[in-house]
Amino acid sequence: GAVVSQHPSRVICKSGTSVKIECRSLDFQATTMFWYRQFPKKSLMLMATSNEGSKATYEQGVEKDKFLINHASLTLSTLTVTSAHPEDSSFYICSASRNLGDTEAFFGQGTRLTVV
Amino acid sequence: GESVGLHLPTLSVQEGDNSIINCAYSNSASDYFIWYKQESGKGPQFIIDIRSNMDKRQGQRVTVLLNKTVKHLSLQIAATQPGDSAVYFCAENRGGGADGLTFGKGTHLIIQP
Repeated sequence: GAVVSQHPSRVICKSGTSVKIECRSLDFQATTMFWYRQFPKKSLMLMATSNEGSKATYEQGVEKDKFLINHASLTLSTLTVTSAHPEDSSFYICSASRNLGDTEAFFGQGTRLTVV
Repeated sequence: GESVGLHLPTLSVQEGDNSIINCAYSNSASDYFIWYKQESGKGPQFIIDIRSNMDKRQGQRVTVLLNKTVKHLSLQIAATQPGDSAVYFCAENRGGGADGLTFGKGTHLIIQP
């Protein structure tokens, strides 16, 4: 199956700093990538849809200036958590689809962000 | 609000027994459903999917049933093994590959030796 890789898998940062998380599709090109957030013992919540070459689409309640998404190539999307605070601590997961209209999504292994 | 939900947060079964995990959804326009398995600290792993024009689909040791009349989805795992212990999520695609997935709350499946 297709492989999606996230980096880093774990990161600890200080309050007020910014953290960048990368999501790469390793063996296919992804025109669309998705970013999810998961709190402990909770489900995944879609944050935004990352579109190659255009602006990301954010879900209601997700601050676009707080969570910057860049999808500069067909194999890489990045999520930057700006001015991080302890409440931003969470598990961030990306997924990618090979083609527009392709409903099967491949997930990365997730990034555990801890803001201290 | 959340349109996909689970009936039970935790399900414990004996190794070798069959397990059934249930899911209710509320969006009658959803046309594609997926079951994922998530182990601690890892991303979701695809198990099986089903489209709204089907009511049953079988994989290796797993079967997904879809009842559109009552908006219910279930995952049956046959002959459970210790490696099946994980959290299972149902998810729905709201229509077309451009949309992300809406996940249910999840069921923690525990396989007792």
